Amino acid sequence: DVKVTQSSRYLVKRTGEKVFLECVQDMDHENMFWYRQDPGLGLRLIYFSYDVKMKEKGDIPEGYSVSREKKERFSLILESASTNQTSMYLCASSPLLGTETSYEQYFGPGTRLTVT
Amino acid sequence: AQSVTQLDSQVPVFEEAPVELRCNYSSSVSVYLFWYVQYPNQGLQLLLKYLSGSTLVESINGFEAEFNKSQTSFHLRKPSVHISDTAEYFCAVTYNFNKFYFGSGTKLNVKP
Repeated sequence: DVKVTQSSRYLVKRTGEKVFLECVQDMDHENMFWYRQDPGLGLRLIYFSYDVKMKEKGDIPEGYSVSREKKERFSLILESASTNQTSMYLCASSPLLGTETSYEQYFGPGTRLTVT
Repeated sequence: AQSVTQLDSQVPVFEEAPVELRCNYSSSVSVYLFWYVQYPNQGLQLLLKYLSGSTLVESINGFEAEFNKSQTSFHLRKPSVHISDTAEYFCAVTYNFNKFYFGSGTKLNVKP
């Protein structure tokens, strides 16, 4: 089974702190994604990466950065946390095109971040 | 630009009743369609997907969805729901598998 793990289920940080959210997948997937989930807005893509050291902005990258130094790990960084970044953060991974199963994203359990 | 619309934010239904969760998308190119389910305090899990071929796709737990190209819809149905189906359901589309576009979600609340 594909497993995507996230470093914390719940996190509370203060405004202005630097925050790291870690995501690890164990299936050797090339693609990894960071979303935020807010009530009534569904999932919105922050960043995605299709290879080590490669990244592309999603729909709402402002205030965030990412790092992918190893294939299995994709980190989301909030340089200076703000209250409007309080949200549920979901990490996902998927393999490259080529097989039918490659069209599926596998999600981690999520990190609920509260910025006070 | 692509977008996904889930018209109902909440759907209350009694156990053993039928249910339909609506999903419409807008796209000028061919798309691939998905339904994901999120149980309380969990991540999203794939429920079913349409890639090509038969427009009716089924899941292992009795859900089905039909791709209707002319109406740009991919509605999710189940003829008889269970309490355990209570969850939030997300419709998603992609055309290049790098970016997935998700709807705002529909909370299905199955009552005894």
